[in-house]
Amino acid sequence: GAGVSQSPRYKVAKRGQDVALRCDPISGHVSLFWYQQALGQGPEFLTYFQNEAQLDKSGLPSDRFFAERPEGSVSTLKIQRTQQEDSAVYLCASSQTTGGGYTFGSGTRLTVV
Amino acid sequence: AQSVTQLDSQVPVFEEAPVELRCNYSSSVSVYLFWYVQYPNQGLQLLLKYLSGSTLVKGINGFEAEFNKSQTSFHLRKPSVHISDTAEYFCAVSENQAGTALIFGKGTTLSVSS
Repeated sequence: GAGVSQSPRYKVAKRGQDVALRCDPISGHVSLFWYQQALGQGPEFLTYFQNEAQLDKSGLPSDRFFAERPEGSVSTLKIQRTQQEDSAVYLCASSQTTGGGYTFGSGTRLTVV
Repeated sequence: AQSVTQLDSQVPVFEEAPVELRCNYSSSVSVYLFWYVQYPNQGLQLLLKYLSGSTLVKGINGFEAEFNKSQTSFHLRKPSVHISDTAEYFCAVSENQAGTALIFGKGTTLSVSS
């Protein structure tokens, strides 16, 4: 596609509910990143894929967070047993190469009530 | 470890005035430096980036930034701002390696009024 597409744009979850956030990167982009942006803060790194391989997941805040990219294109970020502190905008970015800047999606705003 | 400090959380300016948004970084290795803009309820858009070469980098929408290695700074400037420049601006750094994530500052809110 022309850009990085994320869905849903908005998600309201009850505390304890599981959620799945989808990222559809630009076709052919090898690298894919997930970031978490809390209100009034800069984005913080969660995890990184190169094709289908998850090369870095050091930013995932707990074992409730899980990401996958099974065919090296679409990626899903799953959060189990959501908690209020998970409320944030989740941004996905992709790139053909690394180190040269990335194209970001519009994000998914998750609100846990 | 890398870090980015954006020295001003909010910068109010009048239309057609010049503006500078300050960014300092810390890193023990060579870095790539970026400025992104975020409009309300939108993702991040790349304004400009420094990878190597000339320390003065020109970006979109009339913005430019200067990489100063001795002062570890990468300040963003525009000689004359417009109302439409009102947005959140983020400075970011990554190491000069493949597959390294961006480290972002906390952002600067630029508010342009008439």
